Amino acid sequence: NAGVIQTPRHKVTGKGQEATLWCEPISGHSAVFWYRQTIVQGLEFLTYFRNQAPIDDSGMPKERFSAQMPNQSHSTLKIQSTQPQDSAVYLCASSFDWGGYEQYFGPGTRLTVL
Amino acid sequence: QQQVRQSPQSLTVWEGETAILNCSYEDSTFNYFPWYQQFPGEGPALLISISSVSDKKEDGRFTIFFNKREKKLSLHITDSQPGDSATYFCAANSGGSNAKLTFGKGTKLSVKS
Repeated sequence: NAGVIQTPRHKVTGKGQEATLWCEPISGHSAVFWYRQTIVQGLEFLTYFRNQAPIDDSGMPKERFSAQMPNQSHSTLKIQSTQPQDSAVYLCASSFDWGGYEQYFGPGTRLTVL
Repeated sequence: QQQVRQSPQSLTVWEGETAILNCSYEDSTFNYFPWYQQFPGEGPALLISISSVSDKKEDGRFTIFFNKREKKLSLHITDSQPGDSATYFCAANSGGSNAKLTFGKGTKLSVKS
């Protein structure tokens, strides 16, 4: 079991560029979550999918951020027109249970917007 | 409005001592409380968890004590080791359709030898 895989591990973008982050959940897990971690705000929920269907995106900034899960083996988080305040570690987690119990996290993607 | 609070922000103990990390919450619908351990440069790792129907959960040197009436819980790390030095996050969720985790700000634990 390889755990949750996130690529790339580090990404540097210029202000206004687009960033796409990838997540491969643990095989057999039906729920996929995205979180963001910063020093100031801590760990914040962004969005989650259950059996590939979007369930809750209440944490997503309404503009510029979007997430998709085209198949059960990967999810993407896309940030358009990146801004310096988007700099953070973006974490993907998956769980076998629909209720979000026992969420296992990937190593994260550190996004730096210059 | 911080739904999950942790204290202290940082804690230093000597090797072999018991470290006590505290957590409190506001939302009475929360029914599942995992603790995560995070080392620098890594994602949070699930350490131990408890549901609201239990008042204690033990796994080796790690024990969660849960007080539903006071909406408080604590993580006890006995026989602390230098390798336990990390940041510990308390989290909570309500399960079902509200599966997202709400995290505290974390406690940074240092174990000195």
